Formats: sequence, C-alpha cells, structure tokens
Amino acid sequence: GQNIDQPTEMTATEGAIVQINCTYQTSGFNGLFWYQQHAGEAPTFLSYNVLDGLEEKGRFSSFLSRSKGYSYLLLKELQMKDSASYLCAVRDSNYQLIWGAGTKLIIKP
Amino acid sequence: DTGVSQNPRHKITKRGQNVTFRCDPISEHNRLYWYRQTLGQGPEFLTYFQNEAQLEKSRLLSDRFSAERPKGSFSTLEIQRTEQGDSAMYLCASSLGTGDQETQYFGPGTRLLVL
Repeated sequence: GQNIDQPTEMTATEGAIVQINCTYQTSGFNGLFWYQQHAGEAPTFLSYNVLDGLEEKGRFSSFLSRSKGYSYLLLKELQMKDSASYLCAVRDSNYQLIWGAGTKLIIKP
Repeated sequence: DTGVSQNPRHKITKRGQNVTFRCDPISEHNRLYWYRQTLGQGPEFLTYFQNEAQLEKSRLLSDRFSAERPKGSFSTLEIQRTEQGDSAMYLCASSLGTGDQETQYFGPGTRLLVL
C-alpha cells in the first residue's frame, strides 16, 4: 500500500526554527510537494522537490532524500501567521498525489 | 482574481437530497481535480479531468458521485441521495499538465453538511 507519515502536531516558539518531517512509501516517485493549509481554508503550494537535496525559498526550505523516502520542511524565523497545517504529498507512478494527514503547527509567543 | 473558484462555499442539506458543486479552474489549466477532505486528514482524491475527459475516478467513490467537465473549462460534482458520511470539505484543484513540476492550485472549497 501507499503511505505518507507526518507528525500529527508540533509546537514551536515565535522567532524559532521548526522542522516537520515526512516519510513515504509509494508505488513510484515523481516528486514531493509541501502545502500549507490554514484552518477552514484550501491548501496553498509551498515547495516541490524531485531531486535529492535542499530547496530554499525565503524562510521556508524543503529537503528530499529519495533513497530514504524522507523529506522535511524547515521553517525559520517563525511568525504567528505560520500557525497552520502542513501537508506532505507525493506524486506516484500514476502521477497522482498521495497525501499525508498533515502536521498541525502551533506557534506560541 | 484569476485563481480557482468554487461555488457554493457552504451547503447544508438534508439526508437523501442531491447537491451539485461547481468549480472554475484557472483559465489556461487543462487538468482539474476533485478531492474530499475531513477534519484532521489530508485531501482524498475523488476524480480528475484532462480537458473534458474524465481520466480517473477513485475506486472508493460510490456511484452516487458523478462529475462532469463538458467543455473542458468549469466542472460540476454531483452527489445524489446524500448521506451524513458525505459531510466534508470538497476541494477542487487545477494544474497545467505540462510535465515535472505540475503544481495543483486549490480553490477555497465547498463545505458540505448533511443533516
């Protein structure tokens, strides 16, 4: 079967750094996506990795290791508005997105 | 705003009634996806279209669900004889299916409550 694992919830402090991990087991791999979803809203695209390594985009970075079936999303200089759920999704051999259940990130002042 | 739009944003219905949702994708996007999401879960794939062709439908989707995209632009999702278990957020996404970084962009969703 296909499986995406992420922690259910994480808490961090404003101004700090947090790393959200994602491990996956899918039938094929054609890229990994991270989305942010605020409560009651639709997911918004954050990052895409298809090759091993780190992709940096402002305060957010995403890392991929295909051999380990592992990715993380790194958020720096946390702001209160970063409180949201972060969804990891893998595109499988059929080019369909397989989604994790999301990690709820709580930012405390 | 040229993003994905969905209507209605909220729908309350009684069990057994039919409901229809509409999605207008980003204009140049040829792929359109429907997902269902419940609280604390990631989106669950329902179906997708490339232009007007429905290319895949989830095996989990019952025959009460049907989707169309008649002219390759907007799409409708109909649920017949709704059940309480259909209560969820229904998300539409579109993408420009041109290769590797095919990113899906989501609409605001339609929240369905079946009483």
